Amino acid sequence: ETGVTQSPTHLIKTRGQQVTLRCSSQSGHNTVSWYQQALGQGPQFIFQYYREEENGRGNFPPRFSGLQFPNYSSELNVNALELDDSALYLCASSFSGRDNSPLHFGNGTRLTVT
Amino acid sequence: KQEVTQIPAALSVPEGENLVLNCSFTDSAIYNLQWFRQDPGKGLTSLLLIQSSQREQTSGRLNASLDKSSGRSTLYIAASQPGDSATYLCAVCGNTDKLIFGTGTRLQVFP
Repeated sequence: ETGVTQSPTHLIKTRGQQVTLRCSSQSGHNTVSWYQQALGQGPQFIFQYYREEENGRGNFPPRFSGLQFPNYSSELNVNALELDDSALYLCASSFSGRDNSPLHFGNGTRLTVT
Repeated sequence: KQEVTQIPAALSVPEGENLVLNCSFTDSAIYNLQWFRQDPGKGLTSLLLIQSSQREQTSGRLNASLDKSSGRSTLYIAASQPGDSATYLCAVCGNTDKLIFGTGTRLQVFP
């Protein structure tokens, strides 16, 4: 059973640039969620995708967008990067968002915006 | 608006101690509650999931309880070991399919 994998592990960008983060879901999972974790804080929900459609969104601006592909892998795109976007971005997969199945997290992508 | 609080923020104990981590949440309308472990710079590992209809879950030296009516959960770690050193996060899942996390308890177990 393959776990959740994220790429890249680390990334440095300049304010105003755009970034794409990638996630491969755990085998058999059809739901993917993205979280942002600032240093010393708990993760904050960005959005969730189920069967290639957005299925819930947290309090993040539209410059945070995502995609889910037919193989259930996913991308998180952030446009017009700001310094406060520096954080650990976590991807989590599960089988159907409402069946009380535990979320399985990847190791995250550490984004630094300078 | 759901808010999750974890106490204490940090804890340092000698090896072998039994310890309790606390989590409280403001809205009792939850589907489940999960406890996670996070090692520095790493992702989250799910430890225990308690469904809203359950009172507790156990896995090895870990036991988590849930009192939904009072908005509280505890994670009990028996016979702590240095390898238990990590940040422990509590998260609740409501009817919006998202997890709301506390800020975590940073645990250090020294030999």
